[in-house]
Amino acid sequence: DSGVTQTPKHLITATGQRVTLRCSPRSGDLSVYWYQQSLDQGLQFLIQYYNGEERAKGNILERFSAQQFPDLHSELNLSSLELGDSALYFCASSVGSRDTVNQPQHFGDGTRLSIL
Amino acid sequence: GESVGLHLPTLSVQEGDNSIINCAYSNSASDYFIWYKQESGKGPQFIIDIRSNMDKRQGQRVTVLLNKTVKHLSLQIAATQPGDSAVYFCAENMKDTGNQFYFGTGTSLTVIP
Repeated sequence: DSGVTQTPKHLITATGQRVTLRCSPRSGDLSVYWYQQSLDQGLQFLIQYYNGEERAKGNILERFSAQQFPDLHSELNLSSLELGDSALYFCASSVGSRDTVNQPQHFGDGTRLSIL
Repeated sequence: GESVGLHLPTLSVQEGDNSIINCAYSNSASDYFIWYKQESGKGPQFIIDIRSNMDKRQGQRVTVLLNKTVKHLSLQIAATQPGDSAVYFCAENMKDTGNQFYFGTGTSLTVIP
């Protein structure tokens, strides 16, 4: 058990809808990362938050957004959903200060999103 | 249309044999590397890491080797067990990109009892 909790485990919805995925990081971790894992693109970094602030952006679509709350949990919002958004969405967390690098990230078990 | 899955390299080994999983990383500026194990239905699990000032690091039943000259990383698993069956990813952290990691496509390891 990594200590990172993601809910829900599964989500089924239709095209055009909006969903929110939730992540609670490991106790004491200040950084949260979101990844998308699809069959045709592997594990892709979406976005990072550190202590409530956006820290880095990867391949995140404009239809997607995230935030990190004062209690350090994070939410990933996906809107105007398309069939191609069907994937596993993982959250990871790491310890450390804003500029610390080279820290292992610990992953939750993901949310499987299916768009019908 | 139908989505096409990634063509994952596969490795099959007999239980008790040693396994070697290889990874070619992309950037000579990468200075920190992690091997992850992902079992079906679960998230990637940290196995072992290595920094670029080292060429070898050992853990419990696992060893990571780093060859910066050819940008190659390997994971050796000793006395492979059925529970080692999973997809293994290497991840690289490029210097000056913060704590962002770039993941390889993975290798699927199957242990034959």
